Amino acid sequence: DAKTTQPNSMESNEEEPVHLPCNHSTISGTDYIHWYRQLPSQGPEYVIHGLTSNVNNRMASLAIAEDRKSSTLILHRATLRDAAVYYCILRDSYETSGSRLTFGEGTQLTVNP
Amino acid sequence: ETGVTQSPTHLIKTRGQQVTLRCSSQSGHNTVSWYQQALGQGPQFIFQYYREEENGRGNFPPRFSGLQFPNYSSELNVNALELDDSALYLCASSLVLAGGTDTQYFGPGTRLTVL
Repeated sequence: DAKTTQPNSMESNEEEPVHLPCNHSTISGTDYIHWYRQLPSQGPEYVIHGLTSNVNNRMASLAIAEDRKSSTLILHRATLRDAAVYYCILRDSYETSGSRLTFGEGTQLTVNP
Repeated sequence: ETGVTQSPTHLIKTRGQQVTLRCSSQSGHNTVSWYQQALGQGPQFIFQYYREEENGRGNFPPRFSGLQFPNYSSELNVNALELDDSALYLCASSLVLAGGTDTQYFGPGTRLTVL
């Protein structure tokens, strides 16, 4: 799986938007961009994924650069419950890479009340 | 729809012993993966099972083995436990369809301590 680069930590205030960046300059044409998060003392939780177009779901939005070498996870209104480690992961299709997720260091998001 | 469950929550073993960890996948999911997460690090892929057969493995020795059963349950077995095996063990299940990618649903994990 291609490598991703994320900041080690970020801070936000409650009810403000949060933009979590991820660089993936070696992304291949068939790599999907996945985001997972891990709250304290819990297993990772799926957030969102995309291939080329921007994606929205009830949890977040994913903005993908036109050249696909970077992406941004957007939490529209941070809550205290959003404090977690956020992982940006590249994965090829299941036929190529299976279900394997290759976790990096992730970004520790702190949300201030 | 029930989520992914794991048992036990915590476990303490001594070096050299064997351990079996259990996972109940989300109903309808056909793939289960196991991960090891050491303190302060991201999860590391151990292996995955698809329709009861291992079809992918990370950089873990053969003393890590597994089984997947038709009733959506699975096991992770670790023989000859070492101190470095102390970690949080995570199970994840997904429904794999032809083409595209899948979404992993993780359980809460089993905390294994090896003394």
